[in-house]
Amino acid sequence: GESVGLHLPTLSVQEGDNSIINCAYSNSASDYFIWYKQESGKGPQFIIDIRSNMDKRQGQRVTVLLNKTVKHLSLQIAATQPGDSAVYFCAETPAGGTSYGKLTFGQGTILTVHP
Amino acid sequence: DSGVTQTPKHLITATGQRVTLRCSPRSGDLSVYWYQQSLDQGLQFLIHYYNGEERAKGNILERFSAQQFPDLHSELNLSSLELGDSALYFCASSVTTGPTGELFFGEGSRLTVL
Repeated sequence: GESVGLHLPTLSVQEGDNSIINCAYSNSASDYFIWYKQESGKGPQFIIDIRSNMDKRQGQRVTVLLNKTVKHLSLQIAATQPGDSAVYFCAETPAGGTSYGKLTFGQGTILTVHP
Repeated sequence: DSGVTQTPKHLITATGQRVTLRCSPRSGDLSVYWYQQSLDQGLQFLIHYYNGEERAKGNILERFSAQQFPDLHSELNLSSLELGDSALYFCASSVTTGPTGELFFGEGSRLTVL
């Protein structure tokens, strides 16, 4: 598959387990924090985002937690499935302005789900 | 399928050459973004166009340029290519300029410079 880094953090889980992927961000002024998933040979795919004035947001099988005190973002995936195996990136948008799509991406975490 | 189309999928060329990467955004999306993904730099924002106008620039080299045409497709031109330009180049689109972090990415164009 596509390799996006030589030394990415990795997380290996069993199918059915819950997964937690962590990210430290740098810009306290960012408006949105986002999680993307990138499968081998594909472009990043949006999973969920959270606005900076929120602490928690839930989606389908995913929950994003934002801790602004320690500049920490996490993605929780419930009942992880083999199809969740991918590289997961956190990203942040600029603070205001006219280009929210000017994302700053983290280095990524490789999630491997074993059947 | 994100609805964003990029061509070519793969491109091999020599140093010093010039290439053009093409992107068709999702139907109705006015914003087009270009990103570069390499092993050492990760995913990096290059440039954003909205309805034909440049809206934001990232760490895009002077040898690189882009434009968005009236039909909203975009092209990224890379010239005087160097070995270090070898990377995956992604185009993404969105309906508006914000506020949202949701972009729709194409499958990328893999550029190899020999």
